[in-house]
Amino acid sequence: GAVVSQHPSWVICKSGTSVKIECRSLDFQATTMFWYRQFPKQSLMLMATSNEGSKATYEQGVEKDKFLINHASLTLSTLTVTSAHPEDSSFYICSARVGHNTEAFFGQGTRLTVV
Amino acid sequence: KQEVTQIPAALSVPEGENLVLNCSFTDSAIYNLQWFRQDPGKGLTSLLLIQSSQREQTSGRLNASLDKSSGRSTLYIAASQPGDSATYLCAVSPQNQAGTALIFGKGTTLSVSS
Repeated sequence: GAVVSQHPSWVICKSGTSVKIECRSLDFQATTMFWYRQFPKQSLMLMATSNEGSKATYEQGVEKDKFLINHASLTLSTLTVTSAHPEDSSFYICSARVGHNTEAFFGQGTRLTVV
Repeated sequence: KQEVTQIPAALSVPEGENLVLNCSFTDSAIYNLQWFRQDPGKGLTSLLLIQSSQREQTSGRLNASLDKSSGRSTLYIAASQPGDSATYLCAVSPQNQAGTALIFGKGTTLSVSS
């Protein structure tokens, strides 16, 4: 299957700093990428949908000014957690797919710990 | 609003046993259903994708079925092995919602003992 690469796999940062997570589709062009958040022993919760060249669509309750999403090309989307706080500590996973009825592929995930 | 439920939440079996994981969804208007595997602290690995027009898909020891009208899917694992221990997630791609994001169940955590 197609490969989605997410970087970094883990990061520790201090409260108040910003962290950028990258998501790349390595062997296909992804018109749409998705960012999910996963708490321990919970399912994946969609944070936002990112379309290349346009503003991301955020789910209800997700602060768009805190979680900045950029989808500058068909192979790269970034999630920046701004002014991180300990409650932002979580597992973040990106996903990419080409269309409605195609297989979705996921990155390896990023474990963010804010201290 | 589409909801996905997976039963059981956890399952422990001895090696070699055949097992079935269940997934149900409330709205039958879906493009497809996908089964994933997630190891602790890792991302998701796609196992099987079933389009809404299909009844089942097979890959090795895995077989997934889909009954869209009743809102159910099962993942059958034959001759389970300790390496199958992981969390299995079911997700649907809804037709009547904006965007194409998957909606996930909470998963079934499988433990296979040797």
